[in-house]
Amino acid sequence: EVQLVESGGGLVQPGGSLKLSCAASGFTFSGSAMHWVRQASGKGLEWVGRIRSKANSYATAYAASVKGRFTISRDDSKNTAYLQMNSLETEDTAVYYCAREGLDVWGQGTTVTVSS
Amino acid sequence: QSVLTQPPSVSAAPGQKVTISCSGSSSNIGNNYVSWYQQLPGTAPKLLIYENGKRPSGIPDRFSGSKSGTSATLGITGLQTGDEADYYCGTWDSSLSTFYVFGTGTKVTVL
Repeated sequence: EVQLVESGGGLVQPGGSLKLSCAASGFTFSGSAMHWVRQASGKGLEWVGRIRSKANSYATAYAASVKGRFTISRDDSKNTAYLQMNSLETEDTAVYYCAREGLDVWGQGTTVTVSS
Repeated sequence: QSVLTQPPSVSAAPGQKVTISCSGSSSNIGNNYVSWYQQLPGTAPKLLIYENGKRPSGIPDRFSGSKSGTSATLGITGLQTGDEADYYCGTWDSSLSTFYVFGTGTKVTVL
């Protein structure tokens, strides 16, 4: 079964950092790009960024709202993608989803709350 | 603020048909495939339509998608109570500010 499981969410103060993980199973993770998408409570979906595969030089791309603060990485030996979030702002409070290339498979999401 | 515009809500009785529009521009819909996602209450989004009109395995043919110019449309026929959800369009954007964009979202209500 193809599955993505996010973890690492929690409560963090403004200006703080948090690292989310996305564990994949059931497909060839190393050959797939991975996306991160977030959704604030009661709001729509916002694409955060993506990382491509080794064959595509692990190229990353980010939304303007997080560029320079967030970093996406991956460890193909662990079938896991990561989202490092620094300089967090209250506006970053959301449920964070990871999704496979093509956004055809999504995880259940992990909640990040930025508040003092 | 999303660059893809959808109606906030649509509604119809069970068994009827609804259509949801998604309006963009030449930098996104006009030059890229469109996907549609269904988000049932309290759950993660699910891919419903990809490459404008293709359905992933397991998606019933009651759901259909099309694209014309800089707009796309999702159609749902034989509406069921289980179709009550938020629906989002999505596509790549060639502008410098972002790479993938989602629509504003449409709430489908079964009367």
